Amino acid sequence: GQQVMQIPQYQHVQEGEDFTTYCNSSTTLSNIQWYKQRPGGHPVFLIQLVKSGEVKKQKRLTFQFGEAKKNSSLHITATQTTDVGTYFCAGPGNTNAGKSTFGDGTTLTVKP
Amino acid sequence: GAGVSQSPSNKVTEKGKDVELRCDPISGHTALYWYRQSLGQGLEFLIYFQGNSAPDKSGLPSDRFSAERTGGSVSTLTIQRTQQEDSAVYLCASSLSLDRVNYGYTFGSGTRLTVV
Repeated sequence: GQQVMQIPQYQHVQEGEDFTTYCNSSTTLSNIQWYKQRPGGHPVFLIQLVKSGEVKKQKRLTFQFGEAKKNSSLHITATQTTDVGTYFCAGPGNTNAGKSTFGDGTTLTVKP
Repeated sequence: GAGVSQSPSNKVTEKGKDVELRCDPISGHTALYWYRQSLGQGLEFLIYFQGNSAPDKSGLPSDRFSAERTGGSVSTLTIQRTQQEDSAVYLCASSLSLDRVNYGYTFGSGTRLTVV
């Protein structure tokens, strides 16, 4: 089935450093979604990208969708301790587009 | 409601007992999903309901697991004869889904199931 692969699995940064997580698919995605899960919490929807080459910003977070719609990235500028958590990307399942297939997530820790 | 509501928030049960987990989705959301998350792990898909269509049960790990959605709203996930490996957080999500595209999941806070 369709899968989305995320790298890295873990990232440790010093507060103030930048952070990027990548999401890759072997097939073209109609859309890509990003979620954040704080420690002990549940995933929270951040954004959905649908257009080739799309770039969207939310404060210090920048989301990109690749031109070929096979990869995406989430970049955080000048990380803060409030950014800690696991970031998941999700793409549509190949047999049922109403269901999303989640990557394994990138867990970010920020050292103050 | 304003969000996805799950109950109970915590459940401790003895091995071999049956449990029922409840999910009340956001009003108007046509799609409802159940996922399972073990400690420090990713999201494991269990089952998906979309409107009046037959549910996608492809993620249910065994025939001990079943789910239903009554009246297109509230859903119940039932685990029969629980085993210790069933211990996990069970997350329910709902979404607005049109033309086979979902517009982002809203997750509930989950039910933490511990089988002792």
